[in-house]
Amino acid sequence: KAGVTQTPRYLIKTRGQQVTLSCSPISGHRSVSWYQQTPGQGLQFLFEYFSETQRNKGNFPGRFSGRQFSNSRSEMNVSTLELGDSALYLCASGRHGGDEQYFGPGTRLTVT
Amino acid sequence: ELKVEQNPLFLSMQEGKNYTIYCNYSTTSDRLYWYRQDPGKSLESLFVLLSNGAVKQEGRLMASLDTKARLSTLHITAAVHDLSATYFCAVDGSYNTDKLIFGTGTRLQVFP
Repeated sequence: KAGVTQTPRYLIKTRGQQVTLSCSPISGHRSVSWYQQTPGQGLQFLFEYFSETQRNKGNFPGRFSGRQFSNSRSEMNVSTLELGDSALYLCASGRHGGDEQYFGPGTRLTVT
Repeated sequence: ELKVEQNPLFLSMQEGKNYTIYCNYSTTSDRLYWYRQDPGKSLESLFVLLSNGAVKQEGRLMASLDTKARLSTLHITAAVHDLSATYFCAVDGSYNTDKLIFGTGTRLQVFP
């Protein structure tokens, strides 16, 4: 059974640009959550999608957005990138709310 | 606001020794998770604790949950170098959803 996949794995962008990250959950999983990991702030919840609906959103500015498609794949977008957006972005998938979540390998974003 | 605290933040221990990592959380939660992260890697699920008094063991690691005290422990028995990693606990941030609130992490280093 294939695990959670994330693309791209590494990304370098310039301040002011925008970026889109993709996450494909485990087959059969309908829930996808996104997290940002930085050395200073640790692991922070970004948002959670279930059946194409955003169920929860973390305390991040509106520059961070996401969506989920009918096949459960999810994308997150960050506009007007700032240096502080440099982080490892992790997505996790689960069958339904409150179920065990499985994390993907992450996308390491560097903003210069 | 739900807060999750771990201690210690750093743990350097000799092979063969025992130690415990503590995870305190501030509000009632139904589930507690333990994850392991190796440098530059994603999160690997170790344990899911679902009820008060739950105890789970895998190899040299044992996790327990006391929901009344809002405390979980991860006990390491006879540590070996392969256990060197960062360990995170996480708590459900919202009932029946996949919003996880993570602790600060405990960086464990096991030396000969």
